[in-house]
Formats: sequence, C-alpha cells, structure tokens
Amino acid sequence: DAGITQSPRHKVTETGTPVTLRCHQTENHRYMYWYRQDPGHGLRLIHYSYGVKDTDKGEVSDGYSVSRSKTEDFLLTLESATSSQTSVYFCAISESDEKLFFGSGTQLSVL
Amino acid sequence: DQQVKQNSPSLSVQEGRISILNCDYTNSMFDYFLWYKKYPAEGPTFLISISSIKDKNEDGRFTVFLNKSAKHLSLHIVPSQPGDSAVYFCAASAGSGNTPLVFGKGTRLSVIA
Repeated sequence: DAGITQSPRHKVTETGTPVTLRCHQTENHRYMYWYRQDPGHGLRLIHYSYGVKDTDKGEVSDGYSVSRSKTEDFLLTLESATSSQTSVYFCAISESDEKLFFGSGTQLSVL
Repeated sequence: DQQVKQNSPSLSVQEGRISILNCDYTNSMFDYFLWYKKYPAEGPTFLISISSIKDKNEDGRFTVFLNKSAKHLSLHIVPSQPGDSAVYFCAASAGSGNTPLVFGKGTRLSVIA
C-alpha cells in the first residue's frame, strides 16, 4: 500500500460521538486525501491537503474536518458522527496530484 | 453534476474474451485520465493512465483508448481472466497542482470461468 497506514481499520460508534481517523505515510509525499466510498456513489473526495497546515474542502466536506500538522500524518475528524457517515474511508497520497496511492481503508459504522 | 460518468454499474464477461469498460467526461479541461482497480476490502490500485496528447496507451493485457472529441475513454482487457473481477474506477485530472482527481462511480466487472 505504498507506505500508507490507516487506523483504525474498523470502528463502530454511536451517533453524536466524535471520531478521528488517522492516515500515516512513510513516502514523504506532498499531497494527502480523504475519500469515502459508498454504493452507487463511487469515490468522493472529503478533504485534501497540499502541504503541512494547507488543506482544502472536497465535494462532501460537510460534517468533517481535517488537520495536517506533519507531512506524514493526515487526520480526519467527524465532530459528531451521524448514520449518514457510515462508509468506507480511504486515505490516498500523491507527489504530483496525479496517480494517487490508496491505503487499505477504514470501515466506519455509526449506529 | 457528475464530471466523470461510468454509466454501466456492472459488466459480466466470459474468461478469455474481451472486457470493455467505458467512461465519459464533461470537463474539457481534463488532460490526464486514469483507471483504478479495486478488490473487496482493499484500497483502489492504479492500473493504467493516458495523457490527452495520446489516443492509446497499452500495458500488457490492458489498453486505454481516448477519444477527446467525444470526451470518451475506454479500458480494454484482453484476454479477460477471473482475477480481473473487481470494481474499476475511471478518474480524470485537470492538471497538476491543487486539482484533485475526479472519480466515476465505478463498474463492477465479473469474469466468468
């Protein structure tokens, strides 16, 4: 997985609780991304980062925040999880903003 | 509005035959296109790409064709093998920099032995 580690791999939480997903890379790539995959929707971009402390919103950013304090770590936070945020979350990295390399994913269930 | 469209949610092909997966796009600024393959419980992996200055790129059993005038690309897999059964995502880029890839919804390919 091109030196990308997502944690946790699986998580079950309750509606209204905060959740943080972590993405860690060992490739020193500049760009990092968070996508969610849902049936019938494919891969949708939540947030992305083009450098330390530089982040931007994707097409489905509502309800999510991100932080990147170090090159290697990109955190995705659900401040107050909702059932609509039940999904598989993928972190991806790239050096040139093309040809992304994906992590193995985090299965999140919000009950 | 979807900028990258994969209109066939699923495709079933017999082993040894050709698989053709299609992708259409609407943004004329896209100049680089990629195909990703995804197995269950794994992250998507890069398969093949093509720049807008080309109309064909081949890598072993995989060939991607680009028709810029029609804003259409296709992925050909010949011959198809059972291990090719996966979800295939088409993606497009409008150039390097702060312009993330845009993905289609994916096509699930089943290769039947």
